[in-house]
Amino acid sequence: DSGVTQTPKHLITATGQRVTLRCSPRSGDLSVYWYQQSLDQGLQFLIQYYNGEERAKGNILERFSAQQFPDLHSELNLSSLELGDSALYFCASSHTPGTGNDEQFFGPGTRLTVL
Amino acid sequence: TQLLEQSPQFLSIQEGENLTVYCNSSSVFSSLQWYRQEPGEGPVLLVTVVTGGEVKKLKRLTFQFGDARKDSSLHITAAQPGDTGLYLCAGAGGTSYGKLTFGQGTILTVHP
Repeated sequence: DSGVTQTPKHLITATGQRVTLRCSPRSGDLSVYWYQQSLDQGLQFLIQYYNGEERAKGNILERFSAQQFPDLHSELNLSSLELGDSALYFCASSHTPGTGNDEQFFGPGTRLTVL
Repeated sequence: TQLLEQSPQFLSIQEGENLTVYCNSSSVFSSLQWYRQEPGEGPVLLVTVVTGGEVKKLKRLTFQFGDARKDSSLHITAAQPGDTGLYLCAGAGGTSYGKLTFGQGTILTVHP
């Protein structure tokens, strides 16, 4: 158990809908990262927050957004869902803001299926 | 854009054999992390290497970071069926700051 929690574990929805994925980092960790894992693209970095502020952005679509709350949990919002958004979404956390030597610990993921 | 090329993509071996997985890039990373992932679960951190030329051992697993911090390898001695899984290398730092750039992964199957 990494100490990172994610809910829900599974999510099935229809095209055009909007969903929210939730992540709670390990106790004491200030950074939260979101990744998408699909069969053809592997694990891709989406976005990072550190202590409530956006720190780095990766290949995140404009239909997707995220935020980190004062209690440090984070939410990833996916809207106008398309079939191609079906994937595993992982949250990871680290203690430091992203200096390059951080160790990231991953949650169990949310499997999103868009029908 | 930083890329990590991981090879081989698939590895199927018998119990007791040795194997090596490679992770190569043209970019320099501040650190290189190796993860193991089981189906339907999140990646689990195995080791982080930081210094060029660094070698770390974790029981039967040996991890090496290249001198130029552009490549890494994972060597497993006397593989066991319990080693079966997806192995991922991930680079951090350089121009990517804290985000991890992942290789495509190596699916290892160890047959009893």
